[in-house]
Amino acid sequence: KAGVTQTPRYLIKTRGQQVTLSCSPISGHRSVSWYQQTPGQGLQFLFEYFSETQRNKGNFPGRFSGRQFSNSRSEMNVSTLELGDSALYLCASSLAAGVNEQFFGPGTRLTVL
Amino acid sequence: DQQVKQNSPSLSVQEGRISILNCDYTNSMFDYFLWYKKYPAEGPTFLISISSIKDKNEDGRFTVFLNKSAKHLSLHIVPSQPGDSAVYFCAARDNYGQNFVFGPGTRLSVLP
Repeated sequence: KAGVTQTPRYLIKTRGQQVTLSCSPISGHRSVSWYQQTPGQGLQFLFEYFSETQRNKGNFPGRFSGRQFSNSRSEMNVSTLELGDSALYLCASSLAAGVNEQFFGPGTRLTVL
Repeated sequence: DQQVKQNSPSLSVQEGRISILNCDYTNSMFDYFLWYKKYPAEGPTFLISISSIKDKNEDGRFTVFLNKSAKHLSLHIVPSQPGDSAVYFCAARDNYGQNFVFGPGTRLSVLP
């Protein structure tokens, strides 16, 4: 069974631009969560989607948004990029919302110049 | 304000010895705890978990201990192997099934 895939793996953008990251969960998994990882901060929860609905949201500004499609694939969008948005963005999938075991993808490394 | 803390950014242990990674939390509503291991250029992988109704869970070389009164959990790896060298994240989830809260991670180096 294929794992969680994220595209692209690396991105370089400049301040003010916007970016869209993609995540394909493990087949059969319907819940997708997004996290931001920066040095010293660990993983910070962005949002969780289940059945195309945002189920939960972390403490991030409105520039960060996401959506989930009927095939459970998810996209995350960051608008008006700031230097501080440079981070590793991780996607995790689980069978359903509230299931404790999550499976992570390799992440997308975003660099904002 | 970090709800999940891992106060040791790094830890070095000799191969064959015990590795003890610590995690403290502040939110008494957390009732499920997990440990993840992360290698460079890979996403975190689930290692072991424990529910708040237990105080110990064991899986092979890995044992997690939970002290609810102290709001403290620890991961023991015995014996430590060089392949265990990675960053270890402690995570917690509250009893409403809301989002995971992760600690900042501890980098474990197991020296041959």
